[in-house]
Amino acid sequence: DAGITQSPRHKVTETGTPVTLRCHQTENHRYMYWYRQDPGHGLRLIHYSYGVKDTDKGEVSDGYSVSRSKTEDFLLTLESATSSQTSVYFCATHREVNQPQHFGDGTRLSIL
Amino acid sequence: KNEVEQSPQNLTAQEGEFITINCSYSVGISALHWLQQHPGGGIVSLFMLSSGKKKHGRLIATINIQEKHSSLHITASHPRDSAVYICAVIRGGGSQGNLIFGKGTKLSVKP
Repeated sequence: DAGITQSPRHKVTETGTPVTLRCHQTENHRYMYWYRQDPGHGLRLIHYSYGVKDTDKGEVSDGYSVSRSKTEDFLLTLESATSSQTSVYFCATHREVNQPQHFGDGTRLSIL
Repeated sequence: KNEVEQSPQNLTAQEGEFITINCSYSVGISALHWLQQHPGGGIVSLFMLSSGKKKHGRLIATINIQEKHSSLHITASHPRDSAVYICAVIRGGGSQGNLIFGKGTKLSVKP
């Protein structure tokens, strides 16, 4: 949908290792978001971007960093993964805030 | 208390039934979204509304801003409607489109 590709789609890694998830979009949308989805919590915002090099924290940003060096790519990095970061991660984008968000297919991340 | 509450959490219906899912929120908003998440995990935006009512096929979404409440209705339900339906709001007054999500309503429609 809206040309959003998340990679990888699945990853299993060990505690303490760095992990980077990539969200790539082809629609030239200005706004990009990273969410995590957990049972009992629903979707929660991690970080978002409102333009190249413009990012801000969301509700659950501790332990995560992001970068957006070009419009089409929004990277989410776990510097030292912990088991509590096991989750399904979704990227979303939209052109303007008064338009619906388009979601990627998600990345299932397991940290052992 | 969560800022966005949905009811019911789980709903089982027979094919053909009329279904209503409710969403209440406690913050001022600029818009409300209804999303659908299929068993495969993909999330699709169904509606974005800030007043009144919207209709798309068998789906109808309504919002009452004064009562801080929205409903999603499905007419003539079908097994392919089985999914998790998620209500999300954009907090009013902000310049970003950050969504606050409800925990979702899991709908199962039996043939």
